[in-house]
Amino acid sequence: KAGVTQTPRYLIKTRGQQVTLSCSPISGHRSVSWYQQTPGQGLQFLFEYFSETQRNKGNFPGRFSGRQFSNSRSEMNVSTLELGDSALYLCASSRGTGTYEQYFGPGTRLTVT
Amino acid sequence: DQQVKQNSPSLSVQEGRISILNCDYTNSMFDYFLWYKKYPAEGPTFLISISSIKDKNEDGRFTVFLNKSAKHLSLHIVPSQPGDSAVYFCAASVDNDMRFGAGTRLTVKP
Repeated sequence: KAGVTQTPRYLIKTRGQQVTLSCSPISGHRSVSWYQQTPGQGLQFLFEYFSETQRNKGNFPGRFSGRQFSNSRSEMNVSTLELGDSALYLCASSRGTGTYEQYFGPGTRLTVT
Repeated sequence: DQQVKQNSPSLSVQEGRISILNCDYTNSMFDYFLWYKKYPAEGPTFLISISSIKDKNEDGRFTVFLNKSAKHLSLHIVPSQPGDSAVYFCAASVDNDMRFGAGTRLTVKP
């Protein structure tokens, strides 16, 4: 069974631009969560989608948004990029929400210059 | 708001010895706890989990201990192997909310 895939793997943007990241979950998984990983900060939760509905949201500004499609694929958008947005963005899928083990994709490395 | 804390950013152990990774949490409502392992350039992979109704869960060389009164979670790896060298994240969950610690980098020396 194919794992979680994320595209693109690497991205370089300039301040003020916007970016869209994509995540395809494991087949049959309906929950997709997004995380930001920066050195020393661990994994910071961005948001979780389940059946096309945002179920939970972390403490990130409104510049960070997401959505989930009927096939469970998810996109994350960051508008008006700032230097501090440079990070590894990880997507994780699971069968359900909350306590189900999550399976992570390889991440998208975003660099903002 | 760090609800899950891994106070040791790094740990180094000798091959064959025990590795003990620690995690503390502040929210007593958390009812499910997980450990993930992450290699460079890869996403984290699920390692082992424990429900709050248990105090121990074992899977091969990996054992997770939960002390609810102390709000403390630990992962024991016995015996440690060089391939265990990675960053380990603990996570705690309740309902739809999962929080991660900052990670501990484990180095197992041959």
